[in-house]
Amino acid sequence: AQKVTQAQTEISVVEKEDVTLDCVYETRDTTYYLFWYKQPPSGELVFLIRRNSFDEQNEISGRYSWNFQKSTSSFNFTITASQVVDSAVYFCALSEARDKIIFGKGTRLHILP
Amino acid sequence: SAVISQKPSRDICQRGTSLTIQCQVDSQVTMMFWYRQQPGQSLTLIATANQGSEATYESGFVIDKFPISRPNLTFSTLTVSNMSPEDSSIYLCSVTVSTGTNSPLHFGNGTRLTVT
Repeated sequence: AQKVTQAQTEISVVEKEDVTLDCVYETRDTTYYLFWYKQPPSGELVFLIRRNSFDEQNEISGRYSWNFQKSTSSFNFTITASQVVDSAVYFCALSEARDKIIFGKGTRLHILP
Repeated sequence: SAVISQKPSRDICQRGTSLTIQCQVDSQVTMMFWYRQQPGQSLTLIATANQGSEATYESGFVIDKFPISRPNLTFSTLTVSNMSPEDSSIYLCSVTVSTGTNSPLHFGNGTRLTVT
C-alpha cells in the first residue's frame, strides 16, 4: 500500500535561512508520481511540483529545489533564503495509479521575521 | 489550469441535517475527486466522482453518508448526510486537467463545514 511520511510536524526558521522539508514514501509500484503542495494560511492548495519515478534529476525553481532519491525513497523540498510569505503548510503526496493522490500529514513551516 | 468554484464556501449546520456542496469547473476535466481535511489534519480522499456512473469510494467512506453526483464533465456535488459534529471539516473538490495519467490535482477553495 502507498504511504507518505512527513516526519517534521512543525518547523520554525528565521527569515533568509534555508530550510529543508523531508518526505519519505512507500510504494510497491515501479511507476509512480510524487508531488508537493503548499497550503498558505488563506487555505487554498497550491500545486508546486510533480516528479515521476523515472526521473531522478533534481529540480530548481527560483528559491525552491527538490531532491528525489529512489534509493532512500525520499523526495525532499528545500527553500533557499526563506521569506515570511513562505509560511504555510506543505504537503508531500504520492500517486500510483488511477490518478488517486495520497497526501502526507503535512509540515507546518513558520518563517520568522 | 482550471478555475474551480465551490459553493457554499462555508456553512454552519445542525446535527442530523444534510448539506450539498457544489463544484463547478470552467472547462471539461478528466477526473474529479472529493477530499476532506479535518481541522489541523491532512487531506483524505473520500471518493472519485465518475461521470455518468456511481462514484468510487475509499475505505471508510460510504455512499449513504456521502452521496456524490457527476452529471457532466464540469460539475459535481457532494452531500454530507445526517451530519454529526465529527463531520466538521473542510471539503475540497479537486480535478485533473491534463489527459496524461497522474496529472497534478488542482483544488477549489473548499467548503468549511461546522456541525453543531
